[in-house]
Amino acid sequence: NAGVTQTPKFQVLKTGQSMTLQCAQDMNHEYMSWYRQDPGMGLRLIHYSVGAGITDQGEVPNGYNVSRSTTEDFPLRLLSAAPSQTSVYFCASSYWGQGSSPLHFGNGTRLTVT
Amino acid sequence: GQQVMQIPQYQHVQEGEDFTTYCNSSTTLSNIQWYKQRPGGHPVFLIQLVKSGEVKKQKRLTFQFGEAKKNSSLHITATQTTDVGTYFCAGALEIKAAGNKLTFGGGTRVLVKP
Repeated sequence: NAGVTQTPKFQVLKTGQSMTLQCAQDMNHEYMSWYRQDPGMGLRLIHYSVGAGITDQGEVPNGYNVSRSTTEDFPLRLLSAAPSQTSVYFCASSYWGQGSSPLHFGNGTRLTVT
Repeated sequence: GQQVMQIPQYQHVQEGEDFTTYCNSSTTLSNIQWYKQRPGGHPVFLIQLVKSGEVKKQKRLTFQFGEAKKNSSLHITATQTTDVGTYFCAGALEIKAAGNKLTFGGGTRVLVKP
């Protein structure tokens, strides 16, 4: 049982480049989400999904897009990278929605935008 | 909007000593979750508290949910080097017809002096 798998682990982008962070879970969780973690600011919700075909914005959605075509996958797209998006990104899933059951986190992607 | 504050931001503890970290919400919560993140790792779920005044123990860790369901604490006794990491609380606010909204505190980073 792999849990939540994120790729890549590290990424360096130049300003203006685009990329997709991948997230997959094998626990049949309906709820999936993306967080960014910056020093001293805890975890901030970017986007989330309560099931295939359904996505919604979190606290800091600007500059990011998501889609949920299957229950297992929830990719995060950076359309035009900016230095302010330098952060550690975590994908998380849970059986029920936010705060209703424990979140299972992936190992994270450390992104640097120069 | 909902705010969840954690104090202290940093905690230096002598090995063998006890310490407490606190989590305070600006609004009444439906439940609160606690996570631990080891250095370089990802957040791992520890516990969820739901009832007013609830107290739960996990070995040397004692979690408490306030009577008003607006604050929580984590008390660790006889600190060990394995307790090093950042402890996050996450407060769930029930939003009618929209499920819960989960907000993370900024975390308490614990350093243990051997």
